[in-house]
This record gives sequence, C-alpha cells and structure tokens, in this order.
Amino acid sequence: EVQLEESGGGLVQPGGSLRLSCAASGLTVSSSYMNWVRQAPGKGLEGVSVIYRGDSTYYADSVKGRFTISRDNSKNTLHLQMNSLRAEDTAVYYCARRSQNAFDIWGQGTMVTVSS
Amino acid sequence: QSALTQPASVSGSPGQSITISCTGTSGDVGGYNFVSWYQQHPGKAPKLMIYDVSNRPPGVSHRFSGSKSGNTASLTISGLQAEDEADYHCSSYTGGSAPYVFGTGTKVTVL
Repeated sequence: EVQLEESGGGLVQPGGSLRLSCAASGLTVSSSYMNWVRQAPGKGLEGVSVIYRGDSTYYADSVKGRFTISRDNSKNTLHLQMNSLRAEDTAVYYCARRSQNAFDIWGQGTMVTVSS
Repeated sequence: QSALTQPASVSGSPGQSITISCTGTSGDVGGYNFVSWYQQHPGKAPKLMIYDVSNRPPGVSHRFSGSKSGNTASLTISGLQAEDEADYHCSSYTGGSAPYVFGTGTKVTVL
C-alpha cells in the first residue's frame, strides 16, 4: 500500500523552528515529485514547497528564505525545515506526491501552531 | 499567483446534481488541461477525485465528472448522496513562477 506519514508538528513560539518529516512507503521519494501543502484553520489549500526529481526546489513567496525542503533517500523520507516561524504559518501541513499533474497521494497531515 | 476562484458553498438535495465552478486565467485553467479536483471531509486529508480536467482515478464514483470551458473548470456531482457532503478544492498547473495553484475551496451541503 502506498502511504505517506507526517510527523514533527506541534506548538512553537513566534520566531522558533520546527522540522517536519514525511515517511514514505510503497513509493520512492527520490524519484517522485514531492510537495508540502498547508491548510490554515478554516481556509483553503496552499502550496508551500516542491522538490523535483533532479533536486531543484520551489518555495512559495510567503515562506521563501525561511523554509527548506529536503529528502533523505536512505530513509525514503521528505523533510521541511521551518525557521523564523510566524503566526500566519499556523496550519495543518500535508506532504503529497504529484503525479500526472495532480496530487494523487496525501499524508494525514501534521498540525503546526505558532503562538506565544 | 492568485488562488483560483470557487463559490464558498453549494447545496443540493439527495439525488440532485450540483456543479462547482473554478475560475482562473489564461495562465492557469485556460491555458492547460491540467485541472484536478479534491474532496476533503472534516479532519481528513484531501482525496483526488478528478485529474486532467475530466479523468477519474480508479475507485472514484462515476457520479463525479469534470469539464472546462475557457478559464473556468467545473466539477459536477450527480445523484447527490449524504456522503458527498465535504469541502472540494480545485487545482491547476500554471505557466508562471509557481508550478500549480489551488482554488479557494467550496463547501458542499446535502440538504
């Protein structure tokens, strides 16, 4: 069964850091177009970051310079390092695979709350 | 990149058909046949329902169908059922700096 499982969310103060992880099974992270998508409470979906097969990356303007996407091929895991966190980063963070121009596999999500 | 525009809510009675619109620009919805739709029940992850405008993944009910005209894509749910009550999100590939964009989301209520 193809599965993604996020971890690492929690409560953090403004200006703090968190590292999210997404463990994959049934698919190979290194050969997939992997994404982080977030959803603020009561809001729609927002693309945060992408890592392509060739290791090039994309970041939304709202997180550029603060977030870093990476993958550990030996552990088949995707990461999102989040620094200088702001209240507006509060959201459920999903990892998702993009295939054939659609997000076909999603994790269950991990909640990040930025508050003092 | 601005979010695609969806109605905030759509409702219908069991057995009826409803249509959700998703309006973008020639730089996203209108320029590419790469529109997808996602169903999201409360507290759950999104689920892919339609890709490439009108294709259904295996296991998705044929009551769900997609189409596109100009800069607007649409998702139609026919024979509405109680289990269809959920939020629905569209997404499109873009030719701009961002690789894709999502819609604002639509809450579907079964009366």
